[in-house]
This record gives sequence, structure tokens and C-alpha cells, in this order.
Amino acid sequence: EAGVAQSPRYKIIEKRQSVAFWCNPISGHATLYWYQQILGQGPKLLIQFQNNGVVDDSQLPKDRFSAERLKGVDSTLKIQPAKLEDSAVYLCASSLEGLAGDDEQYFGPGTRLTVT
Amino acid sequence: KQEVTQIPAALSVPEGENLVLNCSFTDSAIYNLQWFRQDPGKGLTSLLLIQSSQREQTSGRLNASLDKSSGRSTLYIAASQPGDSATYLCAVESGAGSYQLTFGKGTKLSVIP
Repeated sequence: EAGVAQSPRYKIIEKRQSVAFWCNPISGHATLYWYQQILGQGPKLLIQFQNNGVVDDSQLPKDRFSAERLKGVDSTLKIQPAKLEDSAVYLCASSLEGLAGDDEQYFGPGTRLTVT
Repeated sequence: KQEVTQIPAALSVPEGENLVLNCSFTDSAIYNLQWFRQDPGKGLTSLLLIQSSQREQTSGRLNASLDKSSGRSTLYIAASQPGDSATYLCAVESGAGSYQLTFGKGTKLSVIP
């Protein structure tokens, strides 16, 4: 079974530029998550999709971050314009149903973003 | 708001030693607790998932326990090996409606040959 795919793996941009990350979840997984992991911290949930609908985006900085999951499969996360504090690893995860208690999340390798 | 704390932040042990990593959480109303492993430059690999009704889970040399009432979990690694060197993250799933994982900052483990 193929895992969660993410691209690019690394990205370096200057502040005020825009950037986009792509995620392809495990086939058949209804729920998709984007996390931000700042160096030395645990991952923080940015947005959660159930199929192509948003379940929770309460921690997404909506003035500069946006995400979509068209057709309920692949997802893109965009930052525009980027700030220095956006430097982090962006992790995508997916789970079968997103049901509490017995639904495991599977993580991709992440995209390491450096904003200079 | 759920908060997860992991101690110690870093741990260095000689190969062969048994060790314990600790995790505590502030809100005991959780659905499950997961332990993950993260290697440098890599994503997260799930090691063990303990449902809220369970007390422990075992996988090979790993054993995780959960005491929901006291808000604590431990990850026990037996006979540590250099290949166990990684950052270990604890996460709890809680929240109403959207089932979110709240992570600790992790414990960085180094096993010295």
C-alpha cells in the first residue's frame, strides 16, 4: 500500500513570496490533515478535511494560508505572502474515516520550508 | 485546551539499556493516545495506539501504558539499540466534533553503541 505522498520535499523562498505544497493521501482515506511543525515543537494541526469539506480550520492563519481538497483526494496548502515565522516542516496525514478512538493517522515525509 | 508534556526533552543511554519515556496531558477526556517516532528529515511513524478504554499496548520491544484518570502515559523500550535513536512524540486525540491530535514536543533519544 502506497503511503502519503508530499511534494516538494524542500523549499526555500524569500519573505513575502508565495508557496504551495501538495499532498496525495492513502487511497480510500476520507480524512486529510495538514500540520505545521516548527523546529523543536510537536506538530500543530492547521486544517482537517473530511472528503472535500473542511472539518476544522480554527488554527489556520487565514489571512495568509489557504488550503483546498478538490474532489476529496489530493490537497494543496498555500502560503501568500510568507513570513519568516512560517519556516517549518509541513506535514500531511490521512486516516480512513476520521473517527475518534480507533482511526490511525498516517503521515507523509513532510515539506521543509525555509523563509529567508 | 488540551496540553501535552513530554519529559525528558532528551535522553542518552548506552545500548542494551531499558528506558522509559513519559507523557502527561491536562484533559483526561481523550479518545486515544498515540506514540510516534520521527527520524531526522522524515515524517512520523505510528508506534502504538492506546484507546481510552485500554491500559496498555505492546509491540515487540515497545510497551505503552495509559492512566487516563491521572493524565499519564509511559513508553517503555526494552533492550535499546542504536537504531532506536530518534525523536519520540506522544499525541492525544480529543475534542468534540473534529477529532484532533495534540502533540507533545517530543523526547530525543540517542542510544550509544
